[in-house]
Amino acid sequence: QSVLTQPPSASGTAGQRVTISCSGSSSNIGRNDVNWYQLLPRTAPKLLLNKNNQRPSGVPDRFSGSRSGTSASLAISGLQSEDEADYFCATWDNSLNGFYVFGTGTKVTVL
Amino acid sequence: QVQLRESGPGLVKPSETLSLTCIVSGVSITTANYHWGWIRQPPGKGLEWIGNIHDDGSTHYNPSVKSRVTISADTSKTQFSLRLSSVTAADTAVYYCARRPVAGEISHAFDVWGQGTVVTVSP
Repeated sequence: QSVLTQPPSASGTAGQRVTISCSGSSSNIGRNDVNWYQLLPRTAPKLLLNKNNQRPSGVPDRFSGSRSGTSASLAISGLQSEDEADYFCATWDNSLNGFYVFGTGTKVTVL
Repeated sequence: QVQLRESGPGLVKPSETLSLTCIVSGVSITTANYHWGWIRQPPGKGLEWIGNIHDDGSTHYNPSVKSRVTISADTSKTQFSLRLSSVTAADTAVYYCARRPVAGEISHAFDVWGQGTVVTVSP
């Protein structure tokens, strides 16, 4: 059902910068802030970025985000081995009486 | 410290009703400006929002499951529940409950999650 498209995978070596895109439409990213979540194996999902680029307490400043038009992106600078995880963008979609939608997800691999 | 924990059967038969409870500690689910949601992740797939219950008891569901889902709050104000009827194999997933603040520095995102519980739909 996802209307937010992400690349299925991204990778980099330790220390590199990795960027993940999230493509939506005028009914979702075009109108609403984007959140990013990190999913590590066997752990609860973690809110990584709120309102496009705000980091909750405890999230390293290596993680940053942006939103423009109907797209958003997450950047990880200084990639570390513990960043190997699945990342999902998410936002509200104003169609069909409104619903919260997650992106298709991106698996980040640290080479 | 706010904590959430999902509880319920790990196996449900096709056509039956899936029932899960989210036990909340550290805050009342009727606290203003907090919504409480259910999210699931089928095996090998992405996350899907199921629905929320709001601090005033109102609910909002994903259109994809709206005809089959009910989210309700316990009168103890320490837990809320998910009921999903007429389940099929497509409902097999890890089910998470989570908190969604709607005001404050962090808002309109799920900021605290449970560990998740695996539910398999199988005869």
